[in-house]
Amino acid sequence: QTVVTQEPSLTVSPGGTVTLTCASSTGAVTSDYYPNWFQQKPGQAPRTLIYSTTNKHSWTPARFSGSLLGGKALLTLSGVQPEDEADYYCLLFYNNAWVFGGGTKLTVL
Amino acid sequence: QITLKESGPTLVKPTQTLTLTCTFSGFSLSTSGVGVGWIRQPPGQALEWLALIYWDDDKRYSPSLKRRLTITKDTSKNQVVLTMTNMDPVDTATYYCTHGNDFVDSHVTHWGPGTLVTVSS
Repeated sequence: QTVVTQEPSLTVSPGGTVTLTCASSTGAVTSDYYPNWFQQKPGQAPRTLIYSTTNKHSWTPARFSGSLLGGKALLTLSGVQPEDEADYYCLLFYNNAWVFGGGTKLTVL
Repeated sequence: QITLKESGPTLVKPTQTLTLTCTFSGFSLSTSGVGVGWIRQPPGQALEWLALIYWDDDKRYSPSLKRRLTITKDTSKNQVVLTMTNMDPVDTATYYCTHGNDFVDSHVTHWGPGTLVTVSS
């Protein structure tokens, strides 16, 4: 069974930069996995931030960016704001199905 | 403006079949590239991808749940239905309906608010 791994938790100071990673048990994550990133705040439905590795939606704040590095998909937040405190999930595509990572709880402190 | 809304029972008994309906607006499921899917989240746990149906009736399922899931669409009603058989308490979760477009590689773009389904006798 395919497992997608994310850091369980990360802490960042306001104004700082943090990078969340998304790894696959099958090997290196490439653009063929169409990495997606989602933000979820307590009591809310998730919101899509990044699709197909690097692409942003019209509602995605400019401080969020997606990339690939070292065989992983990355979500980088530059100039973190207090409202960025949330759970973040990545989603990867495998052979006609999709698998979520376990999520990263980001604390802004 | 694209909107999606999930509907269905809030409580089901173990072994019963769950039927959820996603009613959407702002797009047509007959448009090339468009897909509507289902994702769930048990309380306090991570998201889990379940199923997806495309404009051309192509269907994709989570390998671990494939035997229990069926996804169908009614384009004229702007609805997608997900059925899950043999429900168990571990299936207690909020179930989300999503919209995406395969042609722009944005497979999960918009989300419904979700509906909480509890499995209990």
